[in-house]
Order: sequence, then structure tokens, then C-alpha cells
Amino acid sequence: ETGVTQTPRHLVMGMTNKKSLKCEQHLGHNAMYWYKQSAKKPLELMFVYSLEERVENNSVPSRFSPECPNSSHLFLHLHTLQPEDSALYLCASSQWRETYNEQFFGPGTRLTVL
Amino acid sequence: EDKVVQSPLSLVVHEGDTVTLNCSYEVTNFRSLLWYKQEKKAPTFLFMLTSSGIEKKSGRLSSILDKKELFSILNITATQTGDSAVYLCAVKDNNDMRFGAGTRLTVKP
Repeated sequence: ETGVTQTPRHLVMGMTNKKSLKCEQHLGHNAMYWYKQSAKKPLELMFVYSLEERVENNSVPSRFSPECPNSSHLFLHLHTLQPEDSALYLCASSQWRETYNEQFFGPGTRLTVL
Repeated sequence: EDKVVQSPLSLVVHEGDTVTLNCSYEVTNFRSLLWYKQEKKAPTFLFMLTSSGIEKKSGRLSSILDKKELFSILNITATQTGDSAVYLCAVKDNNDMRFGAGTRLTVKP
């Protein structure tokens, strides 16, 4: 049990659907992250929220929209996705510091876009 | 261009062997280098390295960083089948965290 939970664990959606991924951390951290892991690519950092403010988005397409209402919850809103967006979406949390960045990962949501 | 390169991309060994995984990097404002182990699910943290020449050790795993030559190695001694996984190296700069492609290690009985 990692202290970071993600729901749903599996999601199948059509290209016209709108869905949301949820992440919750119980570790008292103040930074949360969304990562995308595709089958044949390295892990890609999508969004970082530190102290509930988004600090960067790494040029992620606008069909992915993050929301961080508080330091314990993070959402990723999905709309009009493409089949190439099918991947494992990982959430992580950490205590935000200048150099120390041990991140704790959730189990991931396996997303399939038809 | 900032990048993190791991080698080899895959490795097959037998139980009891010792393996060395490599991670080289080019980043503008280096802060730390991290190693993760990823099995079927999310990565689990192994080590964080910030200083050159100081070995971090945890059981059969150890890692060291060379900030002059811009690389790190992860050693696993007396490998076991449970060590089979993808090992990810990540480098943090001022703002970003960049991952390598990973080394897929398979340990055969």
C-alpha cells in the first residue's frame, strides 16, 4: 500500500467521451504529479502541482486538463482523446523541496481510447 | 537538449549474477538523480543521489553518481528472480524531472 490511490484502475472510453481520473494521497505531501507511460516510450511528466499551484505542464495537449482542488487530491479531466493517448497514467506525490524529490507513485489508471 | 540515456536497454542474467546498469545524462541545472524499480505497476523508489562519489546502499543494491562524467550506475549483486523489472533512472533539474527509457532486467532461475 503506497499511500497514493488512483481511480479508476482501468478505463475504456471513446474519442468523444469526457472522463476524469482521480488521485488521492494520504502522505501529507504538498506536491502532486501526473505522468503518462506509453508502451514504448519513457515515462513522461505531464503536470506538476506544488502547493496547489500548477508550476508547469510540459506542452501537454489541451485535451488533458488537470485540477488540484487541495493538496490531497488531483484530477485529470479527459475530453476528445485520441487512440494514441492510450497509456498508463500515473499519479505521484512528494514533499516539494529544492533538491529532494522522492516521489511516491499510485498504482496507475490503464486508459484505452477506442 | 536535455536527455537521460540508460544502457543496456535489456539484460538477461542468471540467479546469482552481478549486474551493472548505467545512466548518463545531460541536463542544464542538475539537482539530483533518482533510480526507480518498476515491475507490473507503478515505479518504486530506490535511491536519490546528489553528491559525487558517495555510494548509496540498500541490501544487494548500490548506486553511485559521477557528476564530472555525468553518469550513475546501479549495481545489483547476487541477483534473484524477484529483481526482474524495468529499472528507471530520472534526473531532476530546477523545474523538471526527466526519465530515461529504462533497462529491462530479466533474471532467470
